[in-house]
Amino acid sequence: QKEVEQNSGPLSVPEGAIASLNCTYSDRGSQSFFWYRQYSGKSPELIMFIYSNGDKEDGRFTAQLNKASQYVSLLIRDSQPSDSATYLCAVRYSGGYQKVTFGIGTKLQVIP
Amino acid sequence: DGGITQSPKYLFRKEGQNVTLSCEQNLNHDAMYWYRQDPGQGLRLIYYSQIVNDFQKGDIAEGYSVSREKKESFPLTVTSAQKNPTAFYLCASSIGAGPGNTIYFGEGSWLTVV
Repeated sequence: QKEVEQNSGPLSVPEGAIASLNCTYSDRGSQSFFWYRQYSGKSPELIMFIYSNGDKEDGRFTAQLNKASQYVSLLIRDSQPSDSATYLCAVRYSGGYQKVTFGIGTKLQVIP
Repeated sequence: DGGITQSPKYLFRKEGQNVTLSCEQNLNHDAMYWYRQDPGQGLRLIYYSQIVNDFQKGDIAEGYSVSREKKESFPLTVTSAQKNPTAFYLCASSIGAGPGNTIYFGEGSWLTVV
């Protein structure tokens, strides 16, 4: 069973701080990695995706991928109360049908 | 606007009833998916379809059925065989099923057994 692991949290950070969300995955053949944000009672919305080792930046968000260590992280700079949500890590595995597996999500609380 | 439309948003099912959740997309995506989300658990794949007239079971297909007669439509039936159907159901789609293809979600349907 291919797994995606996340700490469920909650992770609490003060407004304006950097929030760091982490995710590990079990299959070294994984090819693409996604971060979704999900507000309570709503559906997930894509924040960003990353395929290659290193960092990818989009506004206040930076995704970091380390395939050797099998982890992917999401940094949120200048955290705002509106960033308070659950962040889902998703991994698309290689081979055959490229199934996407989701972690349980990390709940982030940004304290004003 | 392009997107994925799920209906109904809220649905109540009596014991022993079958219910069908609708999912329509106008994104011209080939692949469509149904996920179930329970509190404290990640999204679990129920069924997926890569092309019209073809679909495959996901991790928790028992008690569910689907059809894919049109590219834009992928309805999910929750049958009476599903013993614990109360959950948040998410329909999703992607251009294809390759490594670069991002999954996009509809707004979801809440199903409650009464």
